[in-house]
Amino acid sequence: NAGVTQTPKFQVLKTGQSMTLQCAQDMNHEYMSWYRQDPGMGLRLIHYSVGAGITDQGEVPNGYNVSRSTTEDFPLRLLSAAPSQTSVYFCASSYGGTSFSEQFFGPGTRLTVL
Amino acid sequence: AQSVAQPEDQVNVAEGNPLTVKCTYSVSGNPYLFWYVQYPNRGLQFLLKYITGDNLVKGSYGFEAEFNKSQTSFHLKKPSAIVSDSALYFCAVRPPSGAGSYQLTFGKGTKLSVIP
Repeated sequence: NAGVTQTPKFQVLKTGQSMTLQCAQDMNHEYMSWYRQDPGMGLRLIHYSVGAGITDQGEVPNGYNVSRSTTEDFPLRLLSAAPSQTSVYFCASSYGGTSFSEQFFGPGTRLTVL
Repeated sequence: AQSVAQPEDQVNVAEGNPLTVKCTYSVSGNPYLFWYVQYPNRGLQFLLKYITGDNLVKGSYGFEAEFNKSQTSFHLKKPSAIVSDSALYFCAVRPPSGAGSYQLTFGKGTKLSVIP
């Protein structure tokens, strides 16, 4: 049971480049989400999904796209990277159906946009 | 919309002393409250949660938290701090139902340093 996995661990992009951050979980969790962590700002929700085929925007969705074709995978796409997207990105998952289930977090992807 | 405040950016405590990390929240209805811990270069780990029932919640690694509805607080406590408790601690809140009920809102985090 690997839990929540994220790839890559580190990435450096140039402004305007695109890339996909991968997230997978093997716990059959319905709910998955993406957060970004910036110093002094805590974690902010980017996008989330309550099940395969269902996604919605969080607090800071601009510049990011998501899709959820399977229960296991929830990739985050940066369409045209900007320096403001330099951050640490965390994927999380939890059981669905009840809103009091704790979330399990991946190890994070540290992204630098030059 | 819900919000969480962690009024202290950093808390220093001597090893063996009790520790408290403060958290206050704002949410419509009865809240679901969580504490997470983050060690350097790691993801967040769940510590404990309050859903309903007893106001004193016990969690992992000897931590506990007290829910106070009148003060809208959910402070994290431990009777005796150890050096390995040094980490970044996040309080989070979820509304119980309705739109946004899956959205977890985090505080900005409190860095705990336990001094040997």
